[in-house]
Amino acid sequence: DGGITQSPKYLFRKEGQNVTLSCEQNLNHDAMYWYRQDPGQGLRLIYYSQIVNDFQKGDIAEGYSVSREKKESFPLTVTSAQKNPTAFYLCASSIEGRNSPLHFGNGTRLTVT
Amino acid sequence: GESVGLHLPTLSVQEGDNSIINCAYSNSASDYFIWYKQESGKGPQFIIDIRSNMDKRQGQRVTVLLNKTVKHLSLQIAATQPGDSAVYFCAETANFGNEKLTFGTGTRLTIIP
Repeated sequence: DGGITQSPKYLFRKEGQNVTLSCEQNLNHDAMYWYRQDPGQGLRLIYYSQIVNDFQKGDIAEGYSVSREKKESFPLTVTSAQKNPTAFYLCASSIEGRNSPLHFGNGTRLTVT
Repeated sequence: GESVGLHLPTLSVQEGDNSIINCAYSNSASDYFIWYKQESGKGPQFIIDIRSNMDKRQGQRVTVLLNKTVKHLSLQIAATQPGDSAVYFCAETANFGNEKLTFGTGTRLTIIP
């Protein structure tokens, strides 16, 4: 079945450590996105990529980095510079960059202590 | 600023009854709207979308209504089932790419047996 796979489902890190969240899709979608979900808030865009080897900052990119070396993969690194990294992170993809629904993975819950 | 919100944060419905979940938006230029369902610990699941050139769109047991005059969007779920229990949220964008999607905070729908 086609879909988006995020791993791991739960991740625990100590403050000051960088951590990379994996996102893989086999939907052949060009566009991929990373969102952060916090209780009581709508999804907030961290980074997005419309094509391989290109990506753009979203609304809350500070403290995060991404790469898009392959169409299928869009890993997110949460760096030690992110002031409040504990959150539920969602990866999504879409066929096109506009007017096409996002398809989401099942998320990674990151806890930093 | 522009915002997407929900009239009710929680909704309890008897199994078998119809559910109506509402969403207000403030950007009159918004032209693409999406409804998502999110179960606990999972990523959002696409339900249905609608473009501003339509007032109504139907899917399997779901109907989305768009009232551009009052900037209101609703999701109707027919004959609700226990599996419909989840958080539902809307998203909208105004003739921009998906990176400009604005997400609501969600309504929790609980189905009473």
